[in-house]
Amino acid sequence: NAGVIQTPRHKVTGKGQEATLWCEPISGHSAVFWYRQTIVQGLEFLTYFRNQAPIDDSGMPKERFSAQMPNQSHSTLKIQSTQPQDSAVYLCASSLREYSGNTLYFGEGSRLIVV
Amino acid sequence: QEKVQQSPESLIVPEGAMSSLNCTFSNSASQSIWWYQQHPGKGPEALISIFSNGNKKEGRLTVYLNRASLHVSLHIRDSQPSDSAVYLCAVNSAGNKLTFGIGTRVLVRP
Repeated sequence: NAGVIQTPRHKVTGKGQEATLWCEPISGHSAVFWYRQTIVQGLEFLTYFRNQAPIDDSGMPKERFSAQMPNQSHSTLKIQSTQPQDSAVYLCASSLREYSGNTLYFGEGSRLIVV
Repeated sequence: QEKVQQSPESLIVPEGAMSSLNCTFSNSASQSIWWYQQHPGKGPEALISIFSNGNKKEGRLTVYLNRASLHVSLHIRDSQPSDSAVYLCAVNSAGNKLTFGIGTRVLVRP
């Protein structure tokens, strides 16, 4: 089992450009989560999917962030018109179910730097 | 919205000593409480979780939960240099998402 795979591991983008981050969850896991991690704010929930359907996007900045899960093997997080404050490590996680007793398995993250 | 606070911010312990970390949360109806370990450049990795009041022991780890005081603690017995990492407390709240604290940075000196 390769675990949760995230690509790219590092991305540098210019202010105003678009950034797309990819996540491959663990095979068989039905819940996929996206988090953002910064030194100041820590880990912040962005959105999650259950069986590919969006369930809760309450943490997503509405205007420029979007997430999709077109099939059970990958999810994408797209940030349009990137701003310096978007610089962070974006973490994807999956779990067998989304119930409270289930372990969340994280990928190693995608570090986004907006210059 | 669930709030999770951790203390201390950082901790230095000698090898073989006990590491003790604290976490308070805001919602007594929160479901499970988790502790994650994160090494530099890696994603968080689940260590242990607890749901019921009381304590739970797994290997060198012991967790104590007191829902009345909204407090949970993690104790690592016989700390090793490989335990040096950031420890994140996370609370499972409404909607089944985890809310994380900022973390406690632990350094175990050989």
